[in-house]
Amino acid sequence: GQQLNQSPQSMFIQEGEDVSMNCTSSSIFNTWLWYKQEPGEGPVLLIALYKAGELTSNGRLTAQFGITRKDSFLNISASIPSDVGIYFCAGQRKSGGSNYKLTFGKGTLLTVNP
Amino acid sequence: DGGITQSPKYLFRKEGQNVTLSCEQNLNHDAMYWYRQDPGQGLRLIYYSQIVNDFQKGDIAEGYSVSREKKESFPLTVTSAQKNPTAFYLCASSKGQAYGYTFGSGTRLTVV
Repeated sequence: GQQLNQSPQSMFIQEGEDVSMNCTSSSIFNTWLWYKQEPGEGPVLLIALYKAGELTSNGRLTAQFGITRKDSFLNISASIPSDVGIYFCAGQRKSGGSNYKLTFGKGTLLTVNP
Repeated sequence: DGGITQSPKYLFRKEGQNVTLSCEQNLNHDAMYWYRQDPGQGLRLIYYSQIVNDFQKGDIAEGYSVSREKKESFPLTVTSAQKNPTAFYLCASSKGQAYGYTFGSGTRLTVV
């Protein structure tokens, strides 16, 4: 199955720094989603984007739905130790009937040094 | 509170044995999914179900089986035919519309 190209694969940053990660695809998506997964747990939805060009914030997190509908980025400002985890992008589009298939990137592992 | 529950959290299996992972949701979601997660591999789709008594193979269905007899439940059986079953397994559900998925907390399966 198709996967999104998510980069970077991993990041090691100092507390207080800003972080940026992105996802690109050769296919168009109707929705872009960003999830965070902490060790030993399931992914939790951070931000959902529904329109091309949409810019949405959730606290220190900001994400954008690319104009071409083929890409998205996530920024984290002023990182803190609890931001540690794996961040996944996901693109969603209708795959038939009422099912909206979700395609995931391989994740960005974020480590924050205090 | 509504949610999706996976059990057990940790599971150990001897080679050659089948094992069933439980996934229950009370979100009234129509669609349910099973993913496998290995380090550096991201999430890979095993099986999914859009409606009761119907399910489809995902990208890596070989060695796995599922059933969907009730809307709330979507158990996954890892059979002895699965060559490398040690992994973290995630169950998810969705409304079937463009709202993304809700994930369970996962089951870590180890073959000993």
